[in-house]
Amino acid sequence: DQQVKQNSPSLSVQEGRISILNCDYTNSMFDYFLWYKKYPAEGPTFLISISSIKDKNEDGRFTVFLNKSAKHLSLHIVPSQPGDSAVYFCAASAFKAGTALIFGKGTTLSVSS
Amino acid sequence: NAGVMQNPRHLVRRRGQEARLRCSPMKGHSHVYWYRQLPEEGLKFMVYLQKENIIDESGMPKERFSAEFPKEGPSILRIQQVVRGDSAAYFCASSSQALNTEAFFGQGTRLTVV
Repeated sequence: DQQVKQNSPSLSVQEGRISILNCDYTNSMFDYFLWYKKYPAEGPTFLISISSIKDKNEDGRFTVFLNKSAKHLSLHIVPSQPGDSAVYFCAASAFKAGTALIFGKGTTLSVSS
Repeated sequence: NAGVMQNPRHLVRRRGQEARLRCSPMKGHSHVYWYRQLPEEGLKFMVYLQKENIIDESGMPKERFSAEFPKEGPSILRIQQVVRGDSAAYFCASSSQALNTEAFFGQGTRLTVV
């Protein structure tokens, strides 16, 4: 029973183009969403987050969009750079339910130069 | 200003032995989370602890696994009588408050059971 789903295991993008990573969730109690980036043999690194009271949050090249009615969020990276190549995890938590961060299975992004 | 420290980075245990994984949270953080990543899988939540309390252990196997976060010292994830299926990367994260905030991860402990 996967509460956070990243249906695309991999994504390939050319340098300079936009990368769009998608995430769906099933638990309507989730009210805080995060994206993490992970390189091999390292721990995940926090990228950007969004609260359920917002529908967009931007930080430099990274923008997260939240569509609560569709239970869907996406991470946009523009322009994409080769150094962005990594595994990206979507995560969600439900404060009122006391639920710790629940992660999706990740999407491997490859940015070619 | 050290981040989340996990040790050891690599741990090899024979079947039936005990594995102890340590996690020192970031300074000022009192919330600790343990996750397990199996090959080709995402990060699976195991347990959430605050100082001296287990808040949520819904993701932890009922047998052989235990976790603690004492008043002094690191958080410990203990796996007794390890089996080959326990081989995985175990990540610890910490945060300064309960939920609705980002958690910072350590570099993980890679456990190999031979």
